[in-house]
Amino acid sequence: DTEVTQTPKHLVMGMTNKKSLKCEQHMGHRAMYWYKQKAKKPPELMFVYSYEKLSINESVPSRFSPECPNSSLLNLHLHALQPEDSALYLCASSQVGQGNQPQHFGDGTRLSIL
Amino acid sequence: AQSVAQPEDQVNVAEGNPLTVKCTYSVSGNPYLFWYVQYPNRGLQFLLKYITGDNLVKGSYGFEAEFNKSQTSFHLKKPSALVSDSALYFCAVRDLGDMRFGAGTRLTVKP
Repeated sequence: DTEVTQTPKHLVMGMTNKKSLKCEQHMGHRAMYWYKQKAKKPPELMFVYSYEKLSINESVPSRFSPECPNSSLLNLHLHALQPEDSALYLCASSQVGQGNQPQHFGDGTRLSIL
Repeated sequence: AQSVAQPEDQVNVAEGNPLTVKCTYSVSGNPYLFWYVQYPNRGLQFLLKYITGDNLVKGSYGFEAEFNKSQTSFHLKKPSALVSDSALYFCAVRDLGDMRFGAGTRLTVKP
């Protein structure tokens, strides 16, 4: 069992829909991450939150809107997505400023855009 | 910038044989290197890390990795492969906040 929980596991949505992905961890980590992963490719970093503040936005389109309401939760709000946004979205967490510590990943949300 | 490379897209081994998944790195300063495994429809699972100290690092599920500074390599190894080891393996380097991943190597272990 992973220590980072993501919901839903699967999501199918139309291009005009609004939906949210959720991520929760209870390891006391104060850094949380969103990644996008296409099939058979490495994860691509999207956003980094450090102490609940957005610290890195890797030039992600505005149709993706992250939110970190508290130290345990991370959301990704989706609106007007495109078919090319279909992918596995992974959440991860880690200690802040500890480069020698791994990131811990959830099992992801598999998103399909119709 | 820190980076890692995985020169093999695919590695095939027979069950019971030793396996090696290759990774080379390019870093300035001391590297923080990691191996992750991804099974189908799952997230990335941490296997092991090299920070400093012993060049042979032991990790989960019987995996180990050998850090070689002169060859700038961090190859993942296992003495005896299992069919259940078949998965996608990623080498990664931690650069302050970022985790930079290699392209991944698909390991197939045949019975």
